[in-house]
Amino acid sequence: GESVGLHLPTLSVQEGDNSIINCAYSNSASDYFIWYKQESGKGPQFIIDIRSNMDKRQGQRVTVLLNKTVKHLSLQIAATQPGDSAVYFCAENDPFSGGYQKVTFGTGTKLQVIP
Amino acid sequence: NAGVMQNPRHLVRRRGQEARLRCSPMKGHSHVYWYRQLPEEGLKFMVYLQKENIIDESGMPKERFSAEFPKEGPSILRIQQVVRGDSAAYFCASSPSRGNTGELFFGEGSRLTVL
Repeated sequence: GESVGLHLPTLSVQEGDNSIINCAYSNSASDYFIWYKQESGKGPQFIIDIRSNMDKRQGQRVTVLLNKTVKHLSLQIAATQPGDSAVYFCAENDPFSGGYQKVTFGTGTKLQVIP
Repeated sequence: NAGVMQNPRHLVRRRGQEARLRCSPMKGHSHVYWYRQLPEEGLKFMVYLQKENIIDESGMPKERFSAEFPKEGPSILRIQQVVRGDSAAYFCASSPSRGNTGELFFGEGSRLTVL
């Protein structure tokens, strides 16, 4: 897909295993951290977010962990399926935008699920 | 159609021509965002618009690029005198109201190729 390039870090996971995608963020002032999934040829799709006053949030098969001490965000996908193959972007909001969704995206990680 | 609609999905232009990309936000959404995704890179914020107003164009190149969101009709991203470096995927996103949780609803993108 168009979002995938030679410079994107790639994570290869066997189908059924758990996946962990990591991200380092830069803005300590962000109050929301978000994960987006982008399948080949498609637009990004919101997966899950976490507020800065939390350190863990769970969704359906996904868990996001936030470590503000080291500015680290991770996305865990349980029982990875072929449909999880995509590029995953972490993102953060700008709390000083004036009340609108000014979102900054990271560079992305490509997840390849091996059947 | 409930989603963000972008057209054209693919556009080919020769250097010096103009490119016009259109975006209709989700029904009920009055906030539109444009992002650019260059090959091997993440999404970069370009501009945020409400109906008839440009609120934040801090990510827009100063020359050749313009955006509008008229009272009636879709939002338009216009690139004049295109150059090869403009080749990218341009994504439009919308949100329902003011709010800063980082959740954006993206279209499928318009892929511009400049020959």
